[in-house]
Amino acid sequence: QQQVKQSPQSLIVQKGGISIINCAYENTAFDYFPWYQQFPGKGPALLIAIRPDVSEKKEGRFTISFNKSAKQFSLHIMDSQPGDSATYFCAASSYGGATNKLIFGTGTLLAVQP
Amino acid sequence: DTGVSQNPRHKITKRGQNVTFRCDPISEHNRLYWYRQTLGQGPEFLTYFQNEAQLEKSRLLSDRFSAERPKGSFSTLEIQRTEQGDSAMYLCASRSFNEKLFFGSGTQLSVL
Repeated sequence: QQQVKQSPQSLIVQKGGISIINCAYENTAFDYFPWYQQFPGKGPALLIAIRPDVSEKKEGRFTISFNKSAKQFSLHIMDSQPGDSATYFCAASSYGGATNKLIFGTGTLLAVQP
Repeated sequence: DTGVSQNPRHKITKRGQNVTFRCDPISEHNRLYWYRQTLGQGPEFLTYFQNEAQLEKSRLLSDRFSAERPKGSFSTLEIQRTEQGDSAMYLCASRSFNEKLFFGSGTQLSVL
């Protein structure tokens, strides 16, 4: 049940560069799109989230861009730092669903080189 | 600590044994989820509780798996007759009224 496709699988970025991770979804009922950051041995932690009524949301160095017609959304990490090295997951859910469970992508392993 | 707490952090068991994991959600959250995560994959939904009621179970949750949330507080996930394919990180999460889902650090299960 691969309803959220994420790419790339891994990414290497130089310190200070821009990291870009992309996701595409299939279910048009999805209306909540969060990004999670996960460090080894830890659970995923919410980074930033967007609803489809806006095309972009920015929080500090993290920006989500959302394209409803293409059913795609992406995470941009500006001025990437070594501390950003982690696995990033996109996810989607339907607010109107009974459980509002999140469907996750397969993850992107980001390495920021100093 | 006001986060989601999971115990134990690690569990090593032999195939065929039963194991039980515990999750203590954030106190004011009435919605609780269990997910399973294998290496290199995203978390996969297993089951959902609203208060003490188990409202949804994934097809991933075979009859060897059972989850409870007595009194709508902590939750337990039990796996009977464990198999090597059950080896994974089991994550618990609870949700606030504004839809943010908070995860615990998980229980890493290794079935030998």
